[in-house]
Amino acid sequence: DAGVTQSPTHLIKTRGQQVTLRCSPKSGHDTVSWYQQALGQGPQFIFQYYEEEERQRGNFPDRFSGHQFPNYSSELNVNALLLGDSALYLCASSFGRVLAQETQYFGPGTRLLVL
Amino acid sequence: AQSVTQPDIHITVSEGASLELRCNYSYGATPYLFWYVQSPGQGLQLLLKYFSGDTLVQGIKGFEAEFKRSQSSFNLRKPSVHWSDAAEYFCAVGGGTYKYIFGTGTRLKVLA
Repeated sequence: DAGVTQSPTHLIKTRGQQVTLRCSPKSGHDTVSWYQQALGQGPQFIFQYYEEEERQRGNFPDRFSGHQFPNYSSELNVNALLLGDSALYLCASSFGRVLAQETQYFGPGTRLLVL
Repeated sequence: AQSVTQPDIHITVSEGASLELRCNYSYGATPYLFWYVQSPGQGLQLLLKYFSGDTLVQGIKGFEAEFKRSQSSFNLRKPSVHWSDAAEYFCAVGGGTYKYIFGTGTRLKVLA
C-alpha cells in the first residue's frame, strides 16, 4: 500500500518564477492538505482540498494556489516566487468525509530553494 | 487563538535514559492531539494521537503521551532512548480532518 508521494523531491528556482509541486494521496484517501515548513520551524497550513475544491485556507497570499484532480491527486502552484518561499513543502492526505478523527498522513516533502 | 508551544528547542539525553518532551496547547474546542517525528530530510511520521478516552496513549517505537486537560498539556515520554530516536519531534493540535497547528519542534540529540 503506497503512502503519500510527492514530486519532485528537490528543485531550484529564481525569484519571480512560478513552480508546481505534485502530490498523490495515500490509497483510500480523498483529502489533500498542503503545508509549508521553513527551516527551523514547524509546518504551517497552506490549504486543504476536498472534492476538487479548496475547503480551508491558511494565512498565505493568493500567489499560492492549488488544484485537486478527480483521482484525488493535487498540485500546489506558487507564482512570483520570493526568497522567503524557500522551504520544505509537505503534502498530507486523509479521508475527509464524516469522521472527525481521521488522521493526516504526510509525504516526504518537496524542498524548494529560491535564488 | 489556537496555538501549540514546545518550550524546549533542543534536548540532549544519553542512550538508555528516559525522555520527556513537553507540549502545551491552546484550543477552543475538544482538541485532537498528535506527536510526529521528522528525521533529517524526511517527512513527518505519526508517533501517536489522542482523540478521546484513556488519557495515556501508546504509540509506535515505545513512545507514550499523556493528555492532561487541566494543564493543557500533551507530553511525550519514552522510558529508554535509543540512538535511532535522534530526530525532531513535533506536537500538533487539530480538529479532525481540517488544518493541524504545529509547534516549532524539539530537536533530540542522543549521546552514545
